[in-house]
Amino acid sequence: AQSVTQLGSHVSVSEGALVLLRCNYSSSVPPYLFWYVQYPNQGLQLLLKYTSAATLVKGINGFEAEFKKSETSFHLTKPSAHMSDAAEYFCAVIRSGGYQKVTFGTGTKLQVIP
Amino acid sequence: EAGVTQFPSHSVIEKGQTVTLRCDPISGHDNLYWYRRVMGKEIKFLLHFVKESKQDESGMPNNRFLAERTGGTYSTLKVQPAELEDSGVYFCASSHQPGTTYNEQFFGPGTRLTVL
Repeated sequence: AQSVTQLGSHVSVSEGALVLLRCNYSSSVPPYLFWYVQYPNQGLQLLLKYTSAATLVKGINGFEAEFKKSETSFHLTKPSAHMSDAAEYFCAVIRSGGYQKVTFGTGTKLQVIP
Repeated sequence: EAGVTQFPSHSVIEKGQTVTLRCDPISGHDNLYWYRRVMGKEIKFLLHFVKESKQDESGMPNNRFLAERTGGTYSTLKVQPAELEDSGVYFCASSHQPGTTYNEQFFGPGTRLTVL
């Protein structure tokens, strides 16, 4: 079975500071990994995905994540936080090979302080 | 192109009542999924339709929940009778027909259900 663990339910950063949201995964087979974002009153939006190609994945809005098999991690980063990044972020995993059920982490709310 | 839509956006009902949530997927998407987020916990998979057939309903919590997708277009999720622990946000998602690679699931805005 697959699972993901997000460290920190709430993260606060100053505007312009580095954003680092942590995610560790557990999977018995090669996983596909994702980060989703939910802005207030909106649906979940895919930020980026890892599907066994390049280990450093670039997504929308300047976010990126690096797949590290040795550390079973897929942390999300952004060099400089913007006020508009305030949202809830979800790490997620599915089993590769056409299996479609997404398993989500508990979410991390990002607060950006002016 | 319209995204996944869900109705209603909010629903407040009393324990024991019935509620029906609706999801309209992106046109042409054969796959439709329901997920639920109970307060403070992770988003959990409920079930997966391929067209009108239930492909995987392993996440459905109990027989008070009934999902349908007649005609392979929109889907409904009925909770009858509702209990307090059913409160949460219900998300719907849709995707193209999957093959051996991942097909992105597009999520709707969710329906916030409150059972009093």
